Amino acid sequence: GIQVEQSPPDLILQEGANSTLRCNFSDSVNNLQWFHQNPWGQLINLFYIPSGTKQNGRLSATTVATERYSLLYISSSQTTDSGVYFCAFQYNFNKFYFGSGTKLNVKP
Amino acid sequence: DAGVTQSPTHLIKTRGQQVTLRCSPKSGHDTVSWYQQALGQGPQFIFQYYEEEERQRGNFPDRFSGHQFPNYSSELNVNALLLGDSALYLCASSLGRTGNQPQHFGDGTRLSIL
Repeated sequence: GIQVEQSPPDLILQEGANSTLRCNFSDSVNNLQWFHQNPWGQLINLFYIPSGTKQNGRLSATTVATERYSLLYISSSQTTDSGVYFCAFQYNFNKFYFGSGTKLNVKP
Repeated sequence: DAGVTQSPTHLIKTRGQQVTLRCSPKSGHDTVSWYQQALGQGPQFIFQYYEEEERQRGNFPDRFSGHQFPNYSSELNVNALLLGDSALYLCASSLGRTGNQPQHFGDGTRLSIL
């Protein structure tokens, strides 16, 4: 079946540190998105990135569709970056499969 | 430009009851998908509506049903509620069903079953 694996499951950083989150997916992709879920449960769109590289401020993402993985980079982390990061892999016309998430805790 | 809106924000029900959750898509979007997120897990796809029809369905029983209205808004109905239905229910909207457009999520409805 379709699988989306995220690593690491948990990450603790000191404010100012950099990190890389990884998402592996099991099938050909026509859409991949990264989300940040804040402590209130809101899912915030970070990137729509079925392939290539995008940057938005301190965040950037790269998807290598041929090798079935995507990376989310967080630089100079801040306490407001804390929360759970999900990748969601889209396969077969809008049927999204979410990973189990990476729980990030940025300490001041 | 209004984003995806969901109502109510919180809901408490008892086992065996029925519940209806509502979603208004982002302006300009015509496709609505529903997800269930249990505590500590990623969202799970329930179903998707496009052109007022259910187009895709995840592994959820028939107790979960939905509807899409001509204005693209949608409802999720759950019958015969079980304790395990307690979760955050998320609605997402997108443009078209071809799969090459990003999904935008609402803030969700937290459903608690007693």
